[in-house]
Amino acid sequence: AQKVTQAQTEISVVEKEDVTLDCVYETRDTTYYLFWYKQPPSGELVFLIRRNSFDEQNEISGRYSWNFQKSTSSFNFTITASQVVDSAVYFCALSEGNGGFKTIFGAGTRLFVKA
Amino acid sequence: GAVVSQHPSRVICKSGTSVKIECRSLDFQATTMFWYRQFPKQSLMLMATSNEGSKATYEQGVEKDKFLINHASLTLSTLTVTSAHPEDSSFYICSARGPSGGYEQFFGPGTRLTVL
Repeated sequence: AQKVTQAQTEISVVEKEDVTLDCVYETRDTTYYLFWYKQPPSGELVFLIRRNSFDEQNEISGRYSWNFQKSTSSFNFTITASQVVDSAVYFCALSEGNGGFKTIFGAGTRLFVKA
Repeated sequence: GAVVSQHPSRVICKSGTSVKIECRSLDFQATTMFWYRQFPKQSLMLMATSNEGSKATYEQGVEKDKFLINHASLTLSTLTVTSAHPEDSSFYICSARGPSGGYEQFFGPGTRLTVL
């Protein structure tokens, strides 16, 4: 069975600080995808990144970076020099092929960035 | 490309009435769509998987007679909340598997249901 754990319920930082959101997953599949989504107060999910299980390269996109480590089943997300507009709920998610491609979400981490 | 819409975006109804929510893939065909429910300050919980032309597959604990799902075409899936009660008030989000199939999903903007 697939499971995604986001242990940090809420994080509060001051603008310009770096912040890392943790994600640990469980799966028996060898082929799977991991995702990060941002959910601002409007509620609409914003896709941030998709990573497949065969690609452990870290990725950087502007102020965002992701660290995927299969050895620890983790897919952590770092925001560098945080901004007030980064305040949102961030979800890590997992999709398995054997699970009918359905996506399971973690509990989410609510990030507050103070000016 | 790969846009998913939902209608309505907000709905308020009286207890006991039924409400239909539409999920459309606007620029691609989606053989599989998913319905999620999100209560305030909680995560998205998968309710069911909707496959075009066949019966939906419901997750454990989701009442299929309460939440009717119809996926009659490759671009439209509907969720009907029958005899809605206040505890059904929630944010309902649909998603569709991308045009190339595989793992990517595209999410709709969500429908906020309030049952009085």
